[in-house]
Amino acid sequence: LAKTTQPISMDSYEGQEVNITCSHNNIATNDYITWYQQFPSQGPRFIIQGYKTKVTNEVASLFIPADRKSSTLSLPRVSLSDTAVYYCLVGESPTGANNLFFGTGTRLTVIP
Amino acid sequence: DTGVSQDPRHKITKRGQNVTFRCDPISEHNRLYWYRQTLGQGPEFLTYFQNEAQLEKSRLLSDRFSAERPKGSFSTLEIQRTEQGDSAMYLCASSPTLGREQYFGPGTRLTVT
Repeated sequence: LAKTTQPISMDSYEGQEVNITCSHNNIATNDYITWYQQFPSQGPRFIIQGYKTKVTNEVASLFIPADRKSSTLSLPRVSLSDTAVYYCLVGESPTGANNLFFGTGTRLTVIP
Repeated sequence: DTGVSQDPRHKITKRGQNVTFRCDPISEHNRLYWYRQTLGQGPEFLTYFQNEAQLEKSRLLSDRFSAERPKGSFSTLEIQRTEQGDSAMYLCASSPTLGREQYFGPGTRLTVT
């Protein structure tokens, strides 16, 4: 089971870059790394996904070192609306859904 | 908006009653997942469908829980003989056949009194 470990909480000032690191020492060869954002009373929302090296989209970047035992979600210039819980998810294949593990996530609070 | 929808959004039931929730995934998505989420925790995987086939169930899932996805479209999750410990948010998600990201619905909040 590819469990993940993240910081429980982080605070950041508006306009700063935020980096959230996730450890996944038991990641399997076929596992992707996916990050989700969740606001209170809503379902999680997909942010970004990667397998190795670096992935960037319009909202975030994902850095994955060569050994893939960790990953870092980078949010550029956060705003108050980025206050949410961020989950790192590792593992999913057509027959590997039982490996899906969200953990407790990282509660990011953006301060004005 | 053609996202994932769930019904009802809230359900209050008495212990011992049966409840059923419905999920309508994004129409072209073949994969459908059910999760349970309690306060302060991340979503916990319950079960997964590819089209109409239920391919996996959580090893921790009680036999009071059953899910169906007839014709590979909408899905239902039934909980029989509800217990207070079943109180949680029940989330449904779908994903496209070849993609790996999941799109979540708003959830059904169940309260068992």
